[in-house]
Amino acid sequence: GENVEQHPSTLSVQEGDSAVIKCTYSDSASNYFPWYKQELGKRPQLIIDIRSNVGEKKDQRIAVTLNKTAKHFSLHITETQPEDSAVYFCAASESNYQLIWGAGTKLIIKP
Amino acid sequence: GAVVSQHPSRVICKSGTSVKIECRSLDFQATTMFWYRQFPKKSLMLMATSNEGSKATYEQGVEKDKFLINHASLTLSTLTVTSAHPEDSSFYICSDGYTFGSGTRLTVV
Repeated sequence: GENVEQHPSTLSVQEGDSAVIKCTYSDSASNYFPWYKQELGKRPQLIIDIRSNVGEKKDQRIAVTLNKTAKHFSLHITETQPEDSAVYFCAASESNYQLIWGAGTKLIIKP
Repeated sequence: GAVVSQHPSRVICKSGTSVKIECRSLDFQATTMFWYRQFPKKSLMLMATSNEGSKATYEQGVEKDKFLINHASLTLSTLTVTSAHPEDSSFYICSDGYTFGSGTRLTVV
């Protein structure tokens, strides 16, 4: 079955700098890759997603890149702000949309 | 976008009692609902997949008789934790595959 690995487990960056979180997946049949942001005690919220027919997608300060050959995808956050501090999860799924989750990355934005 | 409403948000119950958690899809019909459990500082662990009108599919290691799932209509899926024990204390959250409910913090005392 699918296995998703996420790195790093904790990432600390200076406010204003960029943050990059990386995930790898094992099943080449996976074709949907969402990223979720979870603040303490709250539900995960979808922040951006990408499908396998696209290599990159941007939404303001957030971007996701996908390398199907290498089976990895990354989340890029530019001009980080204190409110970006949270735990970020990547996930992968095939068309039945049952998500396989990464272990999460705790992002800390230092003022 | 789709909205999934989950209740209750917090519940404290005594050992041995049962607790029901509801997830409602407010503006769409959800034929499938995923139920997750999340331990502190950990990722989401899929417990089971509920399917409207049929039996739920449970992940390996999840006790069917302990975590009862019902998906009787296209807008309501429920998870009942039966004979709860302190080790069942956790954050339970449902999802239609894209949108999550607000989660339920269960504490068993």
